[in-house]
Amino acid sequence: EPEVTQTPSHQVTQMGQEVILRCVPISNHLYFYWYRQILGQKVEFLVSFYNNEISEKSEIFDDQFSVERPDGSNFTLKIRSTKLEDSAMYFCASRSSPAGNTIYFGEGSWLTVV
Amino acid sequence: EDQVTQSPEALRLQEGESSSLNCSYTVSGLRGLFWYRQDPGKGPEFLFTLYSAGEEKEKERLKATLTKKESFLHITAPKPEDSATYLCAVQAKTSYDKVIFGPGTSLSVIP
Repeated sequence: EPEVTQTPSHQVTQMGQEVILRCVPISNHLYFYWYRQILGQKVEFLVSFYNNEISEKSEIFDDQFSVERPDGSNFTLKIRSTKLEDSAMYFCASRSSPAGNTIYFGEGSWLTVV
Repeated sequence: EDQVTQSPEALRLQEGESSSLNCSYTVSGLRGLFWYRQDPGKGPEFLFTLYSAGEEKEKERLKATLTKKESFLHITAPKPEDSATYLCAVQAKTSYDKVIFGPGTSLSVIP
């Protein structure tokens, strides 16, 4: 069964450092997402991406965050200058077609900022 | 403001003891309601999508139903392997992409 794959599974970084989280969405999907889940809290929407541009973003997705699809398979989330409160599980997700259809999630990248 | 609440927060069942999980939502026009299962340290695993009141979907021991304000996930004769957190999420017609998650119900099934 096709799946969303994410790397790394766990990363520890110093506060203020840049982090790039990588994702390979399901191959025929066109809509890509990043969500995050702080330990013990809800899964929160960060950003959606379609046709090489951001289609929607939340208040959390401020100027320190950016997304990119550098080639035909990868989708990345960059955090420019990490803060302690960025520590969370980050989930990449993808969907084949627009609104209402199923979003499939990856296993997550656990980011710890120290 | 669009939001999702789930109850109970945690549920402990004996193996074979059927029960239901509740998801209440407030959304400005529902585009879709989703149920996911999440195991500790893992990503949400898709279970069901429901689109309109009255709709029902089934998969093995799970059945999801939808009304205009709530959705229920019925678990019939659960097994220990059904232990997980069950997440409800909604997408509003006002948002093309964003899915809003509830806090989840943590289910433990005791042998």
